[in-house]
Amino acid sequence: DAGVTQSPTHLIKTRGQQVTLRCSPKSGHDTVSWYQQALGQGPQFIFQYYEEEERQRGNFPDRFSGHQFPNYSSELNVNALLLGDSALYLCASSLLGSEQYFGPGTRLTVT
Amino acid sequence: ILNVEQSPQSLHVQEGDSTNFTCSFPSSNFYALHWYRWETAKSPEALFVMTLNGDEKKKGRISATLNTKEGYSYLYIKGSQPEDSATYLCAFDRDRQTGANNLFFGTGTRLTVIP
Repeated sequence: DAGVTQSPTHLIKTRGQQVTLRCSPKSGHDTVSWYQQALGQGPQFIFQYYEEEERQRGNFPDRFSGHQFPNYSSELNVNALLLGDSALYLCASSLLGSEQYFGPGTRLTVT
Repeated sequence: ILNVEQSPQSLHVQEGDSTNFTCSFPSSNFYALHWYRWETAKSPEALFVMTLNGDEKKKGRISATLNTKEGYSYLYIKGSQPEDSATYLCAFDRDRQTGANNLFFGTGTRLTVIP
């Protein structure tokens, strides 16, 4: 049974560009949460998707958006990239309200 | 903003030494406290989910305690081995009555075990 997978592993973008990160949840899970880990900080909650809807959102600007597909996989989109968006982006899957299982993350570098 | 703090930020211990780290969190709206072990370039791996005040959990040489009234948890590693080298993260999980179940993480404790 594959765990949570994320793609790509690494990504380099230029300021002002847009980026899409992808997450496939653990088999049987219906909820996907996204976290951002900036250098020297703990992961910070971006948003959570359940039943293809954004269920909760952390303190991130509207430039951060997402989507969940009928197969429960999810995308995180970031528009108008800033240097400060450089971070490790973690995806976690779960059954709603239950323990979250994390993927290995996507390292985004904005130059 | 909900504050979760971990100490120390990093430590180096000799193989065979025992060590412990601290996680402090809000004492209100508590649902659970999670401990994760995170090796570089891998996924954070769940170690413990602790829900009750006074909880003690153990997995091999690693154990954890929980005090929800004063808002802290300790993680202990007995007889550290080089393979224990990792970052240990704690995460606060809020009362479900708030309608939320996102995690609030500390910054982690980076452990290096020297052979």
